[in-house]
Order: sequence, then structure tokens, then C-alpha cells
Amino acid sequence: AQSVTQLGSHVSVSEGALVLLRCNYSSSVPPYLFWYVQYPNQGLQLLLKYTSAATLVKGINGFEAEFKKSETSFHLTKPSAHMSDAAEYFCAVSDESGSARQLTFGSGTQLTVLP
Amino acid sequence: DAGVIQSPRHEVTEMGQEVTLRCKPISGHDYLFWYRQTMMRGLELLIYFNNNVPIDDSGMPEDRFSAKMPNASFSTLKIQPSEPRDSAVYFCASRTGTTFYEQYFGPGTRLTVT
Repeated sequence: AQSVTQLGSHVSVSEGALVLLRCNYSSSVPPYLFWYVQYPNQGLQLLLKYTSAATLVKGINGFEAEFKKSETSFHLTKPSAHMSDAAEYFCAVSDESGSARQLTFGSGTQLTVLP
Repeated sequence: DAGVIQSPRHEVTEMGQEVTLRCKPISGHDYLFWYRQTMMRGLELLIYFNNNVPIDDSGMPEDRFSAKMPNASFSTLKIQPSEPRDSAVYFCASRTGTTFYEQYFGPGTRLTVT
């Protein structure tokens, strides 16, 4: 069975500081991994995805994530936070086992950007 | 592309009333998912369809909930009778069968049952 753990339900950073949101996954086979962002009163928007082509994945709005198989991690980073990055971020995993056609989402991390 | 369309965006109803939420997936997408999001339980998958056929409804909380997909461009999620604990944001998402399982979400319907 696949699962996702997001460490830290709330993260606060200062504007201009590094953003690091943590995600660890459990999967019996090589997974596909995703980060979604949810702005207030909106649906989830795909930020980036890992599909085994490259371990460092670049997404929209300057975000990137690195797949580390040895650590079963897929942490999301951005070098310099902007006020507009304040939102909730969800990590998700999908693999070929079990119900192969759905995503399993983490519990989310609320990012606050301080001026 | 207009993206996934959901209606209504907000719904306020009284306990015991029937509620119908609507979703139009992205054209060409053959998978459709219904999710519920609450503070307590996070994002929960309720049911999903492939080519208009329900595949997995194990997430549907109880018999008061039902979902249909009469054609490739329309799905409904119905709650009858509604209860205050059904208050949540309900999302519809869709995807094709040829992508890496990435789903595209609608803006959601915020349901309040009083």
C-alpha cells in the first residue's frame, strides 16, 4: 500500500527566505510523485511531478523537488519565498499496486510567508 | 480549455434536504474523481469513474451519498438526506488514461448544512 507523510502541518518563513516542505512516501514499487498547491477558496493546482525521468524536478512559480529513493523523500523547495506563495501544499503518490489509478494525498502543509 | 467546472460554488441547505453537486470534467478526460475536504479529515477520495463507470466507491461515507456519471461530460454527487456533518468542500477532478496519473481539480463546492 502506498502512503505519504508530510512533516509539519504549518511552516512559516520570512519573505526572501528558503522554503522547504517535507514529504516522505511509502510505496512497494517505483512511484509517481506530485506536489499540489491550494490557494484559499480554490481547488488544488499541480505544481510539479516526478515520473522517473529526472530526480530533480522543476515546477511552476520557482518551486522544485528532488526525488531521493534512498531516503524515500520528495521534499519541495524554493530558494526565495514570496508573499504570494502563502497557501497549503499537498504531496501525493501514485504507484502501480493496489488501486493504481488514484492518488494518495498527504495531510497538507500550510505555508505562511512573513513580511 | 475551461478546466474542470463545478456548480454551485456555494450551497447552504437545511438538514434533511437533498443536495446535488455537479461536475463537468475536462474534455477528453476519461477518469473522474469526487473528493471531500474537511479540517478534521483532510482530503478524502469518495468515488471515481472510468469511462462513466464507477470503479471504486469505497470512500462514500454511507448510503445517503450517491454519484452518477450519465455521460462523459457530466457527473453528479447527491446527498439525501443531508446532515450537518456533511458540511465540507467537495472537489471534482479529472484526468486522462495516458498521463502519469496527474489529476486536474475543479474549484470546489462549499456545502454548509444547517
